[in-house]
Amino acid sequence: GENVEQHPSTLSVQEGDSAVIKCTYSDSASNYFPWYKQELGKGPQLIIDIRSNVGEKKDQRIAVTLNKTAKHFSLHITETQPEDSAVYFCAASRGDSSYKLIFGSGTRLLVRP
Amino acid sequence: DAGITQSPRHKVTETGTPVTLRCHQTENHRYMYWYRQDPGHGLRLIHYSYGVKDTDKGEVSDGYSVSRSKTEDFLLTLESATSSQTSVYFCATGTSGENEQFFGPGTRLTVL
Repeated sequence: GENVEQHPSTLSVQEGDSAVIKCTYSDSASNYFPWYKQELGKGPQLIIDIRSNVGEKKDQRIAVTLNKTAKHFSLHITETQPEDSAVYFCAASRGDSSYKLIFGSGTRLLVRP
Repeated sequence: DAGITQSPRHKVTETGTPVTLRCHQTENHRYMYWYRQDPGHGLRLIHYSYGVKDTDKGEVSDGYSVSRSKTEDFLLTLESATSSQTSVYFCATGTSGENEQFFGPGTRLTVL
């Protein structure tokens, strides 16, 4: 079945450095790729998304890139801050039903002050 | 947070008892979803609804049922709870055709 693989599972960076999280999806019909940030004890919050007709999207310190040929998409966080510490999830829409998402297993990001 | 509330926020129950979790939204979103979150598995879809009285199974639906009698409420029922259903349960909503999903605060369920 369809799946989304996410790496790394944990990532520790120094404050001010960049962080990159990568995901690979299997369903070539997927056309929507959101990223969620989950803080401890809270629900996931959408931070950025990209659709299949776009290769890159930026929003201040975060950016997402999409390579449809390779079925890869990545989250880039620049100038990391301690408040960026959280668990990040990628997801891909299901090809047979665009209003359903398949999630990666998550990346725990720790930004060291 | 799209005005999503979940109740209860925490529950401890015993194996074999029925449990109902409630999701309430104030945004009039058409789609509603129930996920479970377990370490190493991300979020897995249990059931979803695409309208009042219209529901369908997700990837981990065994042992769960849902009902949606009003746009704003989506109930998840464990008919006979098992220890494998110990998890954090999240409700989400979505608007038609936009793909974005908005999550509630979650319910932590422990089945002893």
